[in-house]
Amino acid sequence: RKEVEQDPGPFNVPEGATVAFNCTYSNSASQSFFWYRQDCRKEPKLLMSVYSSGNEDGRFTAQLNRASQYISLLIRDSKLSDSATYLCVVSDSNSGYALNFGKGTSLLVTP
Amino acid sequence: NAGVTQTPKFRILKIGQSMTLQCTQDMNHNYMYWYRQDPGMGLKLIYYSVGAGITDKGEVPNGYNVSRSTTEDFPLRLELAAPSQTSVYFCAAGGSSGNTIYFGEGSWLTVV
Repeated sequence: RKEVEQDPGPFNVPEGATVAFNCTYSNSASQSFFWYRQDCRKEPKLLMSVYSSGNEDGRFTAQLNRASQYISLLIRDSKLSDSATYLCVVSDSNSGYALNFGKGTSLLVTP
Repeated sequence: NAGVTQTPKFRILKIGQSMTLQCTQDMNHNYMYWYRQDPGMGLKLIYYSVGAGITDKGEVPNGYNVSRSTTEDFPLRLELAAPSQTSVYFCAAGGSSGNTIYFGEGSWLTVV
């Protein structure tokens, strides 16, 4: 069973739409949770950390449910520039707090 | 502010050749990592290091070696390159638990 699972998509949405990504993780000892963004042929970049209380950064809202081992990302008012692959990421104290990546969910925002 | 720097950016190797991917960071982070990413897949951990002189295997270490003689440098060596090692390689550095991990721009390697 893969440690971090995501719907690969692709999600094709029009500008202005709201889109939600979901992710589940298998390791109950996971301590830290993130969403990374990866553009084509580029390195992953941190979009936001995810906290149990939920957190928001502008148009982006992340939620964590530790009991269900479920993480979500909501993007409101999608922009063309949001087109990218969104990576769900967890880490724990094993492997030097290395990040465990899902395969990513592809988002294409169209005019 | 360079962050994490990887070289080379692109390389073509013949089967059986060896090479070293260089990685250096200027953020004085203790933790460094090497990942590979195959097309349409997530990143997989090859090796990691929690400080100078300390290295350990990740999920997919076979065919690779690393060293960490200084805090700044974490080279990845490929011995006897195989087509299965064709991939994009990312080096990363971070502080400790929960701290942001920063990635280099990646090294595209093709083994033919």
